[in-house]
Amino acid sequence: AQSVAQPEDQVNVAEGNPLTVKCTYSVSGNPYLFWYVQYPNRGLQFLLKYITGDNLVKGSYGFEAEFNKSQTSFHLKKPSALVSDSALYFCAVGGGADGLTFGKGTHLIIQP
Amino acid sequence: DAGVIQSPRHEVTEMGQEVTLRCKPISGHNSLFWYRQTMMRGLELLIYFNNNVPIDDSGMPEDRFSAKMPNASFSTLKIQPSEPRDSAVYFCASSLLGRDQPQHFGDGTRLSIL
Repeated sequence: AQSVAQPEDQVNVAEGNPLTVKCTYSVSGNPYLFWYVQYPNRGLQFLLKYITGDNLVKGSYGFEAEFNKSQTSFHLKKPSALVSDSALYFCAVGGGADGLTFGKGTHLIIQP
Repeated sequence: DAGVIQSPRHEVTEMGQEVTLRCKPISGHNSLFWYRQTMMRGLELLIYFNNNVPIDDSGMPEDRFSAKMPNASFSTLKIQPSEPRDSAVYFCASSLLGRDQPQHFGDGTRLSIL
């Protein structure tokens, strides 16, 4: 069965600093990896995905993610955090026999 | 372009009552998903449809839950009878066919069973 782990319940970053939200995955076969963001009282919004090709994927709102096959990781990054980036972030993995599997989510808090 | 539309946005009802949640997917999308989100259990996939056909309902908690997709533009999730432990936010999402396709979520229905 496929799975995804987000080891941090919460990440605190000062505005203007770089941010990283961690994600590791397990799936048989080639993974399809996604990041979503959820703002309060809203549904999840798609940020970016990795299917194949370049290990560095660029997405919406200045976010990017780095696929590392040897470490089975897909960490979300942004060079300079904004207060408006504060939200709940979900990593998801697909490509196995199951559908899309979501992580538990990481609360990102950007402090002014 | 309209996104996924869910109704109602909020529902408060007493236990034992029937609850029906509605979803209109994005036009042209062939896959539809129902999720439930709670603080304790996070985001759980309940059921998904491809081309209006239920593919995997293994996440449906019990027989009190049922879902239908009578056509490509409408789906319902029904709980009968409802129980307080069903209180959660229920999301509908749609996508094009294919495991590499991103899902597009509605804003959810916040359900409270008293």
